[in-house]
Amino acid sequence: DIQMTQSPASLSASLGETVTIECLASEDIYSNLAWYQQKPGKSPQLLIYYANSLNDGVPSRFSGSGSGTQYSLKINSLQSEDVSIYFCQQNYDSPPTFGGGTKLELK
Amino acid sequence: EVQLVESGGGLVQPGRSLKLSCAASGFTFSDYNMAWVRQAPKKGLEWVATIIYDGSRTYYRDSVKGRFTISRDNAKSTLYLQMDSLRSEDTATYYCATVSTEGMGYWGQGVMVTVSS
Repeated sequence: DIQMTQSPASLSASLGETVTIECLASEDIYSNLAWYQQKPGKSPQLLIYYANSLNDGVPSRFSGSGSGTQYSLKINSLQSEDVSIYFCQQNYDSPPTFGGGTKLELK
Repeated sequence: EVQLVESGGGLVQPGRSLKLSCAASGFTFSDYNMAWVRQAPKKGLEWVATIIYDGSRTYYRDSVKGRFTISRDNAKSTLYLQMDSLRSEDTATYYCATVSTEGMGYWGQGVMVTVSS
């Protein structure tokens, strides 16, 4: 199985700040990488697919980048509603596997 | 509006069975591959099983193979997960989700399954 390693596990940032979350795959996943946002008490929601494509309705302050084994999610101008847990997921190979998650809190 | 509504969760003893359902609406259910994903309390997401749009193929994570069965009824726009021989480590919130090459685009609200004596 492809292992997905996310960092950091937790992150504290101020309103208006820019934050970056990293995701490392154990092998090349050819940009078949999705990012999900899970707000407290809610189900996950797809933010970004194919590493850098924004899902419908997702604010433009979110962006994704990367290739090969290394990927990142960037949030510009952090808003209070961005407090969530963020997960990466590879869907290049079966089984689909998720990163361990990054808990984003406000400082 | 796309809706996925899970049901059938609850408290069950180890070794017993439970069947989850996921009722879909707002999209053409028979066009989509579907999956179950679970999340143990305070833990990350774990894929459980996937079924192809027409039900012709199914896939399972190793730890549930032979115990869980994913199925679907396209006429009823409903996805199922039959869970047998349940273990304490199966305790989690179970989500159903649509699956495409882009990822898991729509998720249900989740249903809690607790396996305990």
